[in-house]
Amino acid sequence: DTEVTQTPKHLVMGMTNKKSLKCEQHMGHRAMYWYKQKAKKPPELMFVYSYEKLSINESVPSRFSPECPNSSLLNLHLHALQPEDSALYLCASSTGGWDEQFFGPGTRLTVL
Amino acid sequence: SQQGEEDPQALSIQEGENATMNCSYKTSINNLQWYRQNSGRGLVHLILIRSNEREKHSGRLRVTLDTSKKSSSLLITASRAADTASYFCATFSGSARQLTFGSGTQLTVLP
Repeated sequence: DTEVTQTPKHLVMGMTNKKSLKCEQHMGHRAMYWYKQKAKKPPELMFVYSYEKLSINESVPSRFSPECPNSSLLNLHLHALQPEDSALYLCASSTGGWDEQFFGPGTRLTVL
Repeated sequence: SQQGEEDPQALSIQEGENATMNCSYKTSINNLQWYRQNSGRGLVHLILIRSNEREKHSGRLRVTLDTSKKSSSLLITASRAADTASYFCATFSGSARQLTFGSGTQLTVLP
């Protein structure tokens, strides 16, 4: 199975809501990533879990909180988001080295 | 932060023609990768070229890398309408230990 799955596909939330995005892979990869992508822009790295160690892009606000329950699952918890957080959120996985990353289809998030 | 720039930003060609996209980057790298993204979807890995390689082929794709000029090009030969997508280069550097994407080229192949 060479697929990364993400749920939900679409999410609309208010600024006071709490929601979570989910990502799963069964390729035995030891690194998983969250990216944020605005329209007509490249993906920007938010978080990396590599061998269960978290690395954070320090520009990411604390209203985004990652969680890695096990090596196959990656969650992104959302709380008190702003309209400018509306974007496509992409999950990816890799062996943890310098090789290719496998991307999921993304979650289209709209914050009202 | 964005590592590189891609040129052109947008490219429109007829089916059957070749498409060439260029990528420039700023720091030393371990490898350079090319990805394709169909509108609003996830990215698909196309090809990876290591810093000690100069050229690589995969099907209708040809990638070159010039580390002295910090640049790469992606050539798609005999393009098809299904090649219509955004194409991103991405560099992996040991110091950053992360994949950093270029600005992207939007390719439109007209039938």
